Amino acid sequence: SQQGEEDPQALSIQEGENATMNCSYKTSINNLQWYRQNSGRGLVHLILIRSNEREKHSGRLRVTLDTSKKSSSLLITASRAADTASYFCATVQTGANSKLTFGKGITLSVRP
Amino acid sequence: DAGVIQSPRHEVTEMGQEVTLRCKPISGHNSLFWYRQTMMRGLELLIYFNNNVPIDDSGMPEDRFSAKMPNASFSTLKIQPSEPRDSAVYFCASRTLGGGGETQYFGPGTRLLVL
Repeated sequence: SQQGEEDPQALSIQEGENATMNCSYKTSINNLQWYRQNSGRGLVHLILIRSNEREKHSGRLRVTLDTSKKSSSLLITASRAADTASYFCATVQTGANSKLTFGKGITLSVRP
Repeated sequence: DAGVIQSPRHEVTEMGQEVTLRCKPISGHNSLFWYRQTMMRGLELLIYFNNNVPIDDSGMPEDRFSAKMPNASFSTLKIQPSEPRDSAVYFCASRTLGGGGETQYFGPGTRLLVL
């Protein structure tokens, strides 16, 4: 079953613009992670935020987590054509040890 | 580091045939995961191992699916007999247990087509 649900399902922006993607989940979590998947490739880990954290940054990425609303957002600033990919949020539920549950993903297209 | 290695990268087979997918995790990683990705169902966890021991196989769809991890550097996912609805991309991922190693490292996937 899907724990994370991303929103929107697809996003198209111009190079240089910011891209904001949202994820909602249903149960209490240990941490939430964002992954990127380029077409025909495996997933690549982008960033992890723990349940006791509210915001994290990594380069052009900014992730926020609101555990009261059970939601997270991923912001990519100054987007580039190379950011075109599918983005997935994944959660580790409390007590679930290693197990990641993925959403269905958001398709981001960055037009040059 | 070579990353997670999967073979074959592409597999086309006929319904009823046995299919074996292979995975070599990153050296030193002691947790291994098998996922299946389809357009309809997204990315589903099939089974995962910690220290070569299966921990959760609740995602394995049917008895036709089986997975083994005979040692720390090799795992197989077998489908016997295969059916057209098994067509999907199968990913293997690995990570370290504990020590904050929650990040999973994915292989390139095996694209399976069952005719």
